[in-house]
Amino acid sequence: DVVMTQSPLSLPVTLGQPASISCRSSQGLVHSDGKTYLNWFQQRPGQSPRRLLYRVSNRDSGVPDRFSGSGSGTDFTLEISRVEAEDVGVYYCMQATHWPRTFGQGTKVEIK
Amino acid sequence: EVHLVDSGGGLVQPGGSLRLSCAASGFTLSNYNMNWVRQAPGKGLEWVSYISESGNTMYYADSVKGRFTISRDNAENSLYLQMNSLRAEDTAVYYCARGAWAFGDVWGQGTTVTVSS
Repeated sequence: DVVMTQSPLSLPVTLGQPASISCRSSQGLVHSDGKTYLNWFQQRPGQSPRRLLYRVSNRDSGVPDRFSGSGSGTDFTLEISRVEAEDVGVYYCMQATHWPRTFGQGTKVEIK
Repeated sequence: EVHLVDSGGGLVQPGGSLRLSCAASGFTLSNYNMNWVRQAPGKGLEWVSYISESGNTMYYADSVKGRFTISRDNAENSLYLQMNSLRAEDTAVYYCARGAWAFGDVWGQGTTVTVSS
């Protein structure tokens, strides 16, 4: 199975400041079709997960442009340019290239 | 508007069975691959099972293989998860989620399964 490793697991941030979450996979995530199926999800307290980014860097509809994704191969990053109060929650990376699908452990973002 | 509504959770004894349902609205289920994902209390997300658009291909996590069965009724716009031989470690919120490679653009609200005597 592909192991997804996130860091940090806890991220206290100041409102208006940037935040960055790293995600590393134990195997490359380039599919045979040439695409990289690495997604990022946000889970606010008490809510279902919500997809923010798909295929590394494509924002879902309605996702603010302060969220961005980058990376390739086995190293990926989610960045929030200026953290807002509504960004509090747990963020997960997830690979959809290989079976079984696997998630990172989650990174808890909180306001300092 | 596109929605998935999960239902069927509850309290069940170890060794018991439960059938979860996921009702789709606002889109045609038969056009999409579907999944079940679970989250144990205070823990992260765990992918459980996948079924293709036609229902011909299914995959399972090793932790549930041989005990859980995913199915779908495209005419009813519904997805199911039959869970047998339940264990305490199956206690979790279960979500249905749309997509295969384009995973997780739509999620249900979750249904809670508690396995306890």
